[in-house]
Amino acid sequence: ILNVEQSPQSLHVQEGDSTNFTCSFPSSNFYALHWYRWETAKSPEALFVMTLNGDEKKKGRISATLNTKEGYSYLYIKGSQPEDSATYLCALLPGNTGKLIFGQGTTLQVKP
Amino acid sequence: SAVISQKPSRDICQRGTSLTIQCQVDSQVTMMFWYRQQPGQSLTLIATANQGSEATYESGFVIDKFPISRPNLTFSTLTVSNMSPEDSSIYLCSIDGQGAGVNTEAFFGQGTRLTVV
Repeated sequence: ILNVEQSPQSLHVQEGDSTNFTCSFPSSNFYALHWYRWETAKSPEALFVMTLNGDEKKKGRISATLNTKEGYSYLYIKGSQPEDSATYLCALLPGNTGKLIFGQGTTLQVKP
Repeated sequence: SAVISQKPSRDICQRGTSLTIQCQVDSQVTMMFWYRQQPGQSLTLIATANQGSEATYESGFVIDKFPISRPNLTFSTLTVSNMSPEDSSIYLCSIDGQGAGVNTEAFFGQGTRLTVV
């Protein structure tokens, strides 16, 4: 059974703080890694799809890195804002089947 | 991108009853996926629904408990049968963008928050 681990489970930060989360996955079963942002009562929304070792992607204040050899990805948020409050999910795509294996998510709360 | 309409958004159901969740996609897709998130757990794949064939279930999920229909390329339903409190979860339908290449993301419905009492 493939396991995707995320840490921390939850995080409370002040507005303006920068933060980062970790996603660990089995490096031997890698096709792609996805990051999603999930707000309550909304659809999960894609942040990044990462496929290459050493990939670094950026969208505004959010960026992500990928190390497929050691099996981890980091998500960074610079200068957190209250609207960044959400659950951040990483998901491993172990093959070209469309079937995603999700971590438990990191729930971020940004206080004004 | 794709838009997926999922309903109901939430429901409270009595144990022993069944609930059918619907997902409508604004484009034709080959595969649709159904996920469940139990409280404190990860989103877990229940089954893959292909149009014109029986759904493929993941380990731990069976057709009698979670029958799926896929009558055409834009629509699917998942039924949660003979519900118990352990079925209280968020259910999500999803499509992937694999047909457009490995770098495409998945798209999700808004989820159905089910509480079984």
